[in-house]
Amino acid sequence: LAKTTQPISMDSYEGQEVNITCSHNNIATNDYITWYQQFPSQGPRFIIQGYKTKVTNEVASLFIPADRKSSTLSLPRVSLSDTAVYYCLVSREDSSYKLIFGSGTRLLVRP
Amino acid sequence: NAGVMQNPRHLVRRRGQEARLRCSPMKGHSHVYWYRQLPEEGLKFMVYLQKENIIDESGMPKERFSAEFPKEGPSILRIQQVVRGDSAAYFCASSPPTGNAEAFFGQGTRLTVV
Repeated sequence: LAKTTQPISMDSYEGQEVNITCSHNNIATNDYITWYQQFPSQGPRFIIQGYKTKVTNEVASLFIPADRKSSTLSLPRVSLSDTAVYYCLVSREDSSYKLIFGSGTRLLVRP
Repeated sequence: NAGVMQNPRHLVRRRGQEARLRCSPMKGHSHVYWYRQLPEEGLKFMVYLQKENIIDESGMPKERFSAEFPKEGPSILRIQQVVRGDSAAYFCASSPPTGNAEAFFGQGTRLTVV
């Protein structure tokens, strides 16, 4: 599975839009891109998943360029409760259970 | 529909004792996965089970660790003769038997070996 690289940490303020970019240069044709959120002392929570172009749900948007070598998670108008670790994962359709978590991006939202 | 239930939430064991971690998947989910998370690190895959079957245990340490998911009851992750290095958060996730379905994680069990 492709290795992912994302910033170790990011700071933001309430109400701002936050974009977290993840690199996955060796992504394979049948790989999906998935983002999880983890709060302290809790299990990860699925945010969004995509294969190409743009995916949007009630929580976030995921932008994937044509070459799929990177992806950007966009969180609109963050609040203090969005302070968490965000993980970018690449998973293969036939073994999607084997999620490979990197160190994630620690997002701190300030008042 | 209750989420993935793990217990206990916190477990303290002395070196050499056994630790048993339990996981009840969400209703309708027949796939269970166990992950381990060390402090300040991401989760590491350990094992994938379906009812009465171990599908992939490539992330399990070769010794002292075992997992099961019986026909009835929760999935159990068992660690024999625990050592300090086993101290970590252990997360269970479950998903329905469909391809590339979202995995739902439990709250985890924090094991401390003293």
